[in-house]
Amino acid sequence: GQQVQQSPSSLVLQEGENAELQCNFSSTATQLQWFYQSPGGSLVSLLSNPSGTKHTGRLTSTTVTKERRSSLHISSSQTTDSGTYLCAIATGGADRLTFGKGTQLIIQP
Amino acid sequence: NAGVIQTPRHKVTGKGQEATLWCEPISGHSAVFWYRQTIVQGLEFLTYFRNQAPIDDSGMPKERFSAQMPNQSHSTLKIQSTQPQDSAVYLCASSSDSYEQYFGPGTRLTVL
Repeated sequence: GQQVQQSPSSLVLQEGENAELQCNFSSTATQLQWFYQSPGGSLVSLLSNPSGTKHTGRLTSTTVTKERRSSLHISSSQTTDSGTYLCAIATGGADRLTFGKGTQLIIQP
Repeated sequence: NAGVIQTPRHKVTGKGQEATLWCEPISGHSAVFWYRQTIVQGLEFLTYFRNQAPIDDSGMPKERFSAQMPNQSHSTLKIQSTQPQDSAVYLCASSSDSYEQYFGPGTRLTVL
């Protein structure tokens, strides 16, 4: 079945540093979304990026479809960026999302 | 835009009781998805509807779980004879034709 692998599983940075999160998947993705989840919180959609590069605020996502990978770059990290970042894909004609296990990001002041 | 609404936010049931979870999608969205999140399994797909029609229920445990979408403004997930292993956060999402999914706050189900 479809697999989504995220790395690293956890990342600790100092405030102001940049974060780079990776997502690799086993099938061609027709849809790819990055989500943020705070502890005990709901899923917040950050970016929808099945191919190419997208920017929003301090976030940049680059997806290389042929290589089945995507990255999420967070610039000038803030303590409020702490939480879990999830990558999810849909493949073929299916709309259902398959999620990775997430990257837990901790930004220290 | 109120976003996806899920009720109740928390539900506690005794083993063997029934639980019904409600979801109101974003107005105008044509698809509704149900997922389940646990610490061990992460986020798992359960079922989804498009234009109120069931499309894919391949993630649903067959015997005790059922989902319906009687109208475009709400969907329900029913779990009969709840078991402790059903304890999880149940998440509902909706999407328009763009396929980007927006999630509700979830219902935390605890089965004692």
